[in-house]
Amino acid sequence: QSVLTQPPSASGTPGQRVTISCSGSYSNIGSNTVSWYQQLPGAAPKLLIYNNNQRPAGVPDRFSGSKSGTSASLAISGLQSEDEADYYCAAWDDSLSGWMFGGGTKLTVL
Amino acid sequence: EVQLLESGGGLVQPGGSLRLSCAASRFTLSTYAMSWVRQAPGKGLEWVSVISGSGGTPYYVDSVKGRFTISRDNSKNTLYLEMNSLRAEDTAVYYCAKCGSSSVRSAFDSWGQGALVTVSS
Repeated sequence: QSVLTQPPSASGTPGQRVTISCSGSYSNIGSNTVSWYQQLPGAAPKLLIYNNNQRPAGVPDRFSGSKSGTSASLAISGLQSEDEADYYCAAWDDSLSGWMFGGGTKLTVL
Repeated sequence: EVQLLESGGGLVQPGGSLRLSCAASRFTLSTYAMSWVRQAPGKGLEWVSVISGSGGTPYYVDSVKGRFTISRDNSKNTLYLEMNSLRAEDTAVYYCAKCGSSSVRSAFDSWGQGALVTVSS
């Protein structure tokens, strides 16, 4: 069982806005920054968001991140078919002295 | 563009050993913390280990403590993961990941293509 909790699935139609939540605790999200990763089918993960809301170069501004207290969320606006992938949140956990990943959310574009 | 190339995966019997290597190119390994993340077949991502840019104290997930050792050879720009006493539950694709800074708490901004480790008799 993951320390960070994500919904197992999410869906939306092209053009819609979807959000994926990530719930943790004080020792991880509450004390450290959150990052988000996209894993397309059969591919390695890719960094989407770091430091809660920063996008690496090349990541479209359709992707945005936010954090409040011990929870974080990833929002995808203007949903496209190529966004269909698994999405993972992650944060350092001070109590465990290690990284924690969420269980992952499978996004389906209907 | 950063490149990370894992090697050393394969089939090993329970109780056996394996060493994964991650050859880094187009950046200076010593400047960044580096990590290993694994993914069991059909499952989510699981962080395994991380080591700082200076090669200081490494950190491990509880399930591999005492069995796995992360190390780096900055002169060869290569990261390693020595895996001993392997168990069936260690079967996974192992990804090498570069952190965004020398801190072990910085996000994983580049990933290798992964190396499959299968533990089975």
